[in-house]
Amino acid sequence: GAVVSQHPSRVICKSGTSVKIECRSLDFQATTMFWYRQFPKQSLMLMATSNEGSKATYEQGVEKDKFLINHASLTLSTLTVTSAHPEDSSFYICSANPRLAGYTQYFGPGTRLTVL
Amino acid sequence: AQSVTQPDIHITVSEGASLELRCNYSYGATPYLFWYVQSPGQGLQLLLKYFSGDTLVQGIKGFEAEFKRSQSSFNLRKPSVHWSDAAEYFCAVGAGAAGNKLTFGGGTRVLVKP
Repeated sequence: GAVVSQHPSRVICKSGTSVKIECRSLDFQATTMFWYRQFPKQSLMLMATSNEGSKATYEQGVEKDKFLINHASLTLSTLTVTSAHPEDSSFYICSANPRLAGYTQYFGPGTRLTVL
Repeated sequence: AQSVTQPDIHITVSEGASLELRCNYSYGATPYLFWYVQSPGQGLQLLLKYFSGDTLVQGIKGFEAEFKRSQSSFNLRKPSVHWSDAAEYFCAVGAGAAGNKLTFGGGTRVLVKP
């Protein structure tokens, strides 16, 4: 149980285009989903917290107009990187916090974004 | 603001030997503490967590961790390491109103020698 999937696992796009990454909780409902960014050989940095049906809360320094987050249902959150640039290339990881499961987060496998 | 320090960037251990990964946290209230493991190409997997109660926590894959409030530490241990334990290990502290906003340490990469 508590499986989180992400799609796609890898994506390569041209500079200036937008990319959408999906995060799904497969066997539970998630009241809250989180988006992280991980640079090579570094730790995870929280980008934003999203709650179903409400606006995401972004961490300081994260551009909300560049990283659009939509938490459309209790099992799906999407991250759209708009007008992507090479510096947006990174590993993006989502996690989900199940309802009635306390404070534990379950993580997706991540999406490797490369912007050319 | 909360913070987590993992002092060891890399640790090399022989298969069958014991392993201890250090984690120190800074948080003004009672922390929610986690250890996650990240293997190449895989997502983070929860090893164990501490919310309250017994300060020695048992997790999956034979791991355990001990919460020491006086030392602000939550070190991870395993008595006998297997080659499959080679991975990146992250300690995290939960904060926020619901305790579910995680701050991660820098990670410790574990290499296992045959």
